Amino acid sequence: SQTIHQWPATLVQPVGSPLSLECTVEGTSNPNLYWYRQAAGRGLQLLFYSVGIGQISSEVPQNLSASRPQDRQFILSSKKLLLSDSGFYLCAWSEGGQDTDTQYFGPGTRLTVL
Amino acid sequence: GNSVTQMEGPVTLSEEAFLTINCTYTATGYPSLFWYVQYPGEGLQLLLKATKADDKGSNKGFEATYRKETTSFHLEKGSVQVSDSAVYFCALSWSGAGSYQLTFGKGTKLSVIP
Repeated sequence: SQTIHQWPATLVQPVGSPLSLECTVEGTSNPNLYWYRQAAGRGLQLLFYSVGIGQISSEVPQNLSASRPQDRQFILSSKKLLLSDSGFYLCAWSEGGQDTDTQYFGPGTRLTVL
Repeated sequence: GNSVTQMEGPVTLSEEAFLTINCTYTATGYPSLFWYVQYPGEGLQLLLKATKADDKGSNKGFEATYRKETTSFHLEKGSVQVSDSAVYFCALSWSGAGSYQLTFGKGTKLSVIP
C-alpha cells in the first residue's frame, strides 16, 4: 500500500531564516505531487505541483520554491521566511498521468514564523 | 472557472443528530466530486467520492449524491458521533496541465457534543 510522509511535523523559525520541508511517498511510481498551504481559517491554497522529476508548476508567486530531486521526493523551500509564511503545509500525491484524480494527503507540517 | 461553495460553519450538533453539510459547485465539463475530512492537527483524509451524475459516494455512515441538475454534493449522516468532530471539505477535480487539480471549498467545522 502507498504511504506519504512529511517532516518535520512542527517547526518554529525566526523571520529571515531558511526553510526546507520534505515529503516522500512510498509504494507507487511516478506520482503527481502537490504542496498546499492551509492558513488559519482560510482553506487550502495550492502552491506547487509536479508531474515528474524536475518538473515544477507554481500556482501562486511568493516567497517559496519547490523541487523534486527524486521520483517520490518533493521539497518545499524558502531562502528567507516571512511572518506570512506561517501555516499548515500539506503534501499530497495522486497516481501519475491522467488516469486518476484522487489526491491523498500527508500528515502535514505546522510552521510558525516568529 | 471552477469553484466550490460550502455552508459556513461552525456546525454544532448533539450526538445522534442528523447531519447535512451543503456543497454546491461551478465547473466546466463533468468533474469528480469529493468530501475530505480533517481531524484536529492532522492532514486531510478522503471520506468519499463520486465520479458522475447520480453516483452516491458512501463511507463510515456518510453519504453524498452527485446531483448534476442542482450542481450539488451535500454530505449527510444519519446519526453523528463525538468522534465525527472535524473539519469537512468539499472539492471537485478538473484537468490541468499534465495532472488533475482539486478545487476546495473553505471547509465546515463540525462539533458534536455528548
